[in-house]
Amino acid sequence: KAGVTQTPRYLIKTRGQQVTLSCSPISGHRSVSWYQQTPGQGLQFLFEYFSETQRNKGNFPGRFSGRQFSNSRSEMNVSTLELGDSALYLCASSPGQGRWNSPLHFGNGTRLTVT
Amino acid sequence: AQKITQTQPGMFVQEKEAVTLDCTYDTSDPSYGLFWYKQPSSGEMIFLIYQGSYDQQNATEGRYSLNFQKARKSANLVISASQLGDSAMYFCAMREGDSNTGNQFYFGTGTSLTVIP
Repeated sequence: KAGVTQTPRYLIKTRGQQVTLSCSPISGHRSVSWYQQTPGQGLQFLFEYFSETQRNKGNFPGRFSGRQFSNSRSEMNVSTLELGDSALYLCASSPGQGRWNSPLHFGNGTRLTVT
Repeated sequence: AQKITQTQPGMFVQEKEAVTLDCTYDTSDPSYGLFWYKQPSSGEMIFLIYQGSYDQQNATEGRYSLNFQKARKSANLVISASQLGDSAMYFCAMREGDSNTGNQFYFGTGTSLTVIP
């Protein structure tokens, strides 16, 4: 099985712009989660989608949004970029239902730099 | 309060020795799962081991074992016979409830492990 695929791997944007990140989960996985990783804060949960519905949301401003498509692929959008949004954005997938011990399977991440 | 606490920002271990990475957690949910991940410098997060709150025995996966002390709310990772390739960041994580209600994982801030030849 192919793993979790995130595109692009690297992005450089300027303040005020917006950005869209993409994630393709492992085949058969219906849950996709997004995390922001920064050196000072560790991994912070952004949101989780399951069957095209946002099931959980972390404590991030409304500039951060996401969606999931019928094929379970997910996109994350950040509008009005700020310098503090520079981070590694990790996408993770899992079956999402009925498996108590399911770990998250992570992609390689998208490294976003805001200048 | 932090859900997951890792108090060791950095650790060093001699090659072939064992090392313990500490993790404490905070939850009032009787059902939860504890996970350990490894993140090499390349950035990918690699799942290592899982312990469920109802598991009676400590989890083991090859050279990895989890020292689960439920009353103390600790879930320490033990790596036996350290190898140079074990040098990486290690994250402890917890999910409360079961995957039917959501998949929000809480992560600690990580421990950087360096294996010395």
